[in-house]
Amino acid sequence: EPEVTQTPSHQVTQMGQEVILRCVPISNHLYFYWYRQILGQKVEFLVSFYNNEISEKSEIFDDQFSVERPDGSNFTLKIRSTKLEDSAMYFCASSANLGWRQPQHFGDGTRLSIL
Amino acid sequence: GDSVTQMEGPVTLSEEAFLTINCTYTATGYPSLFWYVQYPGEGLQLLLKATKADDKGSNKGFEATYRKETTSFHLEKGSVQVSDSAVYFCALSEGGGSNYKLTFGKGTLLTVNP
Repeated sequence: EPEVTQTPSHQVTQMGQEVILRCVPISNHLYFYWYRQILGQKVEFLVSFYNNEISEKSEIFDDQFSVERPDGSNFTLKIRSTKLEDSAMYFCASSANLGWRQPQHFGDGTRLSIL
Repeated sequence: GDSVTQMEGPVTLSEEAFLTINCTYTATGYPSLFWYVQYPGEGLQLLLKATKADDKGSNKGFEATYRKETTSFHLEKGSVQVSDSAVYFCALSEGGGSNYKLTFGKGTLLTVNP
């Protein structure tokens, strides 16, 4: 069964450094998402991406964050200048072109630790 | 805005016990409803879904029925196993155009003891 893959599984970064989290969505999917889960808290929506542009972003997704689909297969989340509070598990998800009835398929996540 | 409220955990059961995890939602329109499961150290996996009123989603012995009149989507399983120990998330999806974000509940940790 096709799956969403994320790399790395764990990233440790110094505060203030840039970090790029990578995702390879399921190949025929067209909608892409990033979510995050701070330890012990709920999964929160960050951003959705369709047709090479952001569809919606949450208030968490400020100017320090950006997303890109550089080559038609990868989908990346960049945090320009990391803060301690960015420490979380980041999940990538994708869904096929069937709208809100189509479930999103998640990767195993990248655990980001900011020191 | 949309929101999902689910039963606070943790829930601890003995093997073969009956499980219910309550989930209610508020939405402006007619959402799709999902249960996701997160096993220790792993990502989110879709467990089941329902897209319209009175639909019953089912998978691996788990069931949930979309109740529009009570805005609920409670998860049930008749006989839990130790391997069902995980965090369970209720979620909804509602939107239009090109945005179909998921809104999650806080998650319920289930521990099943042998």
